[in-house]
Amino acid sequence: ETGVTQTPRHLVMGMTNKKSLKCEQHLGHNAMYWYKQSAKKPLELMFVYNFKEQTENNSVPSRFSPECPNSSHLFLHLHTLQPEDSALYLCASSQDGDPSGANVLTFGAGSRLTVL
Amino acid sequence: GQNIDQPTEMTATEGAIVQINCTYQTSGFNGLFWYQQHAGEAPTFLSYNVLDGLEEKGRFSSFLSRSKGYSYLLLKELQMKDSASYLCAVEDSNYQLIWGAGTKLIIKP
Repeated sequence: ETGVTQTPRHLVMGMTNKKSLKCEQHLGHNAMYWYKQSAKKPLELMFVYNFKEQTENNSVPSRFSPECPNSSHLFLHLHTLQPEDSALYLCASSQDGDPSGANVLTFGAGSRLTVL
Repeated sequence: GQNIDQPTEMTATEGAIVQINCTYQTSGFNGLFWYQQHAGEAPTFLSYNVLDGLEEKGRFSSFLSRSKGYSYLLLKELQMKDSASYLCAVEDSNYQLIWGAGTKLIIKP
């Protein structure tokens, strides 16, 4: 497989459940990201990992817990979520040092989360 | 605060030309990106502008004016497959990406 793969594609959970989203990139990139995408709103950056180290945590509630065991895998652990957390969660990766200077993101297709 | 503005929705006809505008107010500027996102799919990179002017890539072109805080994405010879959302994003002086809410483009036969 190539690119960025996210599983599951769809998830329905109750507010008391614990679930995890998984992201895997096969591009050899050194940075990975979690974004939240809600309808008609800008993408919200949640977490950034560079070389497995978390470099960004944009005031995300503790009910979202990221894990990056290696530079190819990224998880988002979910527990006691709220209905307003229902959204599309996008994973992305990028590689520093593009000659153009552009930090181009390669996104996965997302995990559509519904919290009941 | 930092802000990216783009129209919520646009409609165009197959074979025509459409221009999607993006205006921005950010803390510094290190480049502007356009991404395309089909419904239910991943956003994919279209273009990057860091200097003023027009960058052409096939049927798609992207323009930047840094002094005006303005960019547009120009799509020519529209095809039905161009129906998608188009996301504008600016990299600020801290290399943080500031995103617009996206423009949903509907192509009619």
